[in-house]
Amino acid sequence: EVQLVESGGGLVKPGGSLRLSCAASGFTFSSYTMNWVRQAPGKGLEWLSSIDSSSFYIYYTDSVKGRFTISRDNAKNSLYLQMNSLRAEDTAVYYCAKNRGDYHGSGSPDLWGQGTLVTVSS
Amino acid sequence: EIVLTQSPGTLSLSPGERATLSCRASQSLSSTYLAWYQQKPGQAPRLLIYDISNRATGIPDRFSGSGSGTDFTLTISRLEPEDLAVYYCQQYNYSPWTFGQGTKVEIK
Repeated sequence: EVQLVESGGGLVKPGGSLRLSCAASGFTFSSYTMNWVRQAPGKGLEWLSSIDSSSFYIYYTDSVKGRFTISRDNAKNSLYLQMNSLRAEDTAVYYCAKNRGDYHGSGSPDLWGQGTLVTVSS
Repeated sequence: EIVLTQSPGTLSLSPGERATLSCRASQSLSSTYLAWYQQKPGQAPRLLIYDISNRATGIPDRFSGSGSGTDFTLTISRLEPEDLAVYYCQQYNYSPWTFGQGTKVEIK
């Protein structure tokens, strides 16, 4: 079955760290650009970061630059998001999402995980 | 950063009616890199339309996209009860990719 399964969410104190994982199956993970997208409670979607198939091209939105690090392990079919210096405003459901390809212009994700909830609170 | 503004905020229609959702960009996309997603309550987003007008795999043909430059439209030709959802547009030409704030479609 083609799917993405996120894990690693939970409750963390402000200033703390968390590492999210996304396990991919049913497709050739190493051929696609991957992304993290989040959604705060009752709010819209916010793209956070993307990484191409070879980990050469990596991009972040300004609000997480310097605090979050995206990475991937193609041998393990896994995507990661290391989140440091967490703030209350980082509270959200975090989705792993697969691009349609590995090129500029393929950036409309056609496969999404079910999401993992991160809550930042003291 | 490109800001996408969706209207209306909420659309309330009866089954069988036509729904027209708008997405306006703060500057021209200068490309076809505009997508639409459907998010049903408690679910992850699902890709409906990419590159302005291409339906994603498995999407029924009552969903269609159009537009260019700064103005884009998602049309649902005949609403069905299962179309109850929030619909988001997204541009993926300029980093950071951005989403609109969403249009909620309610079924009367």
